[in-house]
Amino acid sequence: GAVVSQHPSWVICKSGTSVKIECRSLDFQATTMFWYRQFPKQSLMLMATSNEGSKATYEQGVEKDKFLINHASLTLSTLTVTSAHPEDSSFYICSANPGTSGSLPYFGPGTRLTVL
Amino acid sequence: GQQLNQSPQSMFIQEGEDVSMNCTSSSIFNTWLWYKQDPGEGPVLLIALYKAGELTSNGRLTAQFGITRKDSFLNISASIPSDVGIYFCAGRGNSGGSNYKLTFGKGTLLTVNP
Repeated sequence: GAVVSQHPSWVICKSGTSVKIECRSLDFQATTMFWYRQFPKQSLMLMATSNEGSKATYEQGVEKDKFLINHASLTLSTLTVTSAHPEDSSFYICSANPGTSGSLPYFGPGTRLTVL
Repeated sequence: GQQLNQSPQSMFIQEGEDVSMNCTSSSIFNTWLWYKQDPGEGPVLLIALYKAGELTSNGRLTAQFGITRKDSFLNISASIPSDVGIYFCAGRGNSGGSNYKLTFGKGTLLTVNP
């Protein structure tokens, strides 16, 4: 079946630094990828929709200058958390959509970010 | 962002019991999905529903797409310890650029006592 990977699976960084998270579709081309954030014991909250070759669409309340998204190819989207702070600590999950009519997204395994 | 109303929030059951959980929405969805998430992992799709009234099974799991297109339920029969996890419903509309966007419920935490 279709596989989506994320790298790294977990990362610890110091406050004020930037962290890049990769999302790759391994056996299909994804015209659209989604980035979610999940705090402990809560649901997945959509942060942004990443479209290959164009600017990402951010959900209301998500700072686009803080969460930089790049979808430079049909198999890779990256999320960069700039100037991370402890409140950015969360579980970040991506999903990738093959783009065919009616297709369902496949989810990555998630990246645990801890900001000290 | 928008969320679905999912209940119950948590359930504690004995192995072998049946479980039922449901989701409701103020909006109509064209697709209802049910996912299971284990700790520290991404959600895994269990069942996808595409038509109002549709009843679909996947092993011990059964889910239905409500007639009004605003609700769905998931049943798990004869629960086993590995059913432990968080179950999420998700709805998908069909509105132009948001065609593939999912809206998630708040989740149901299932605990199964052996």
